[in-house]
Amino acid sequence: QKEVEQNSGPLSVPEGAIASLNCTYSDRVSQSFFWYRQYSGKSPELIMSIYSNGDKEDGRFTAQLNKASQYVSLLIRDSQPSDSATYLCAGSSNTGNQFYFGTGTSLTVIP
Amino acid sequence: ETGVTQSPTHLIKTRGQQVTLRCSSQSGHNTVSWYQQALGQGPQFIFQYYREEENGRGNFPPRFSGLQFPNYSSELNVNALELDDSALYLCASSFPSPSSTDTQYFGPGTRLTVL
Repeated sequence: QKEVEQNSGPLSVPEGAIASLNCTYSDRVSQSFFWYRQYSGKSPELIMSIYSNGDKEDGRFTAQLNKASQYVSLLIRDSQPSDSATYLCAGSSNTGNQFYFGTGTSLTVIP
Repeated sequence: ETGVTQSPTHLIKTRGQQVTLRCSSQSGHNTVSWYQQALGQGPQFIFQYYREEENGRGNFPPRFSGLQFPNYSSELNVNALELDDSALYLCASSFPSPSSTDTQYFGPGTRLTVL
């Protein structure tokens, strides 16, 4: 099993809808979790970090972490065409000195 | 902008050559991590440097090596280049202690093409 797994998509949602992105992780990943957005040809840009079970909200973005199920998700409310990008889920290792990324989920928001 | 810079932006090499990529971390950051991102894939962790020492390494062969300097800038060296080394190489810096809760901020990357 890969350390961090994502549904590669592609995911398409209409403008104004909620986009839901999901990620699961292995036992080797347990500390901190991050969502990054990556536009084509650009480097990853941090959206949110989450360390504790539950929800964390920042503007239109909500990250959810469930350590018992080893599951992380990102909800994007009121999706905008500018949200169209690849979303990367990442987690740090048990030892804290490695970051593992998923393969990314491609999101397209249709105007 | 994260304040992390990388050079060069693009690079073309031939198989068997050696390459050095450079990274300047964000002010106040003393931890630098390097990643390889192949087309359509997520970044793969190469290694991390903290206070000039290698602090962790991913599943990459020894021909991938690195350095971190007293000003916390860093180099990634790749020897005996192979075609599969063609990728976007990303540098990320993080806050003063390399704990697992530190957020990593990425530079713009170096696109390496091996012919």
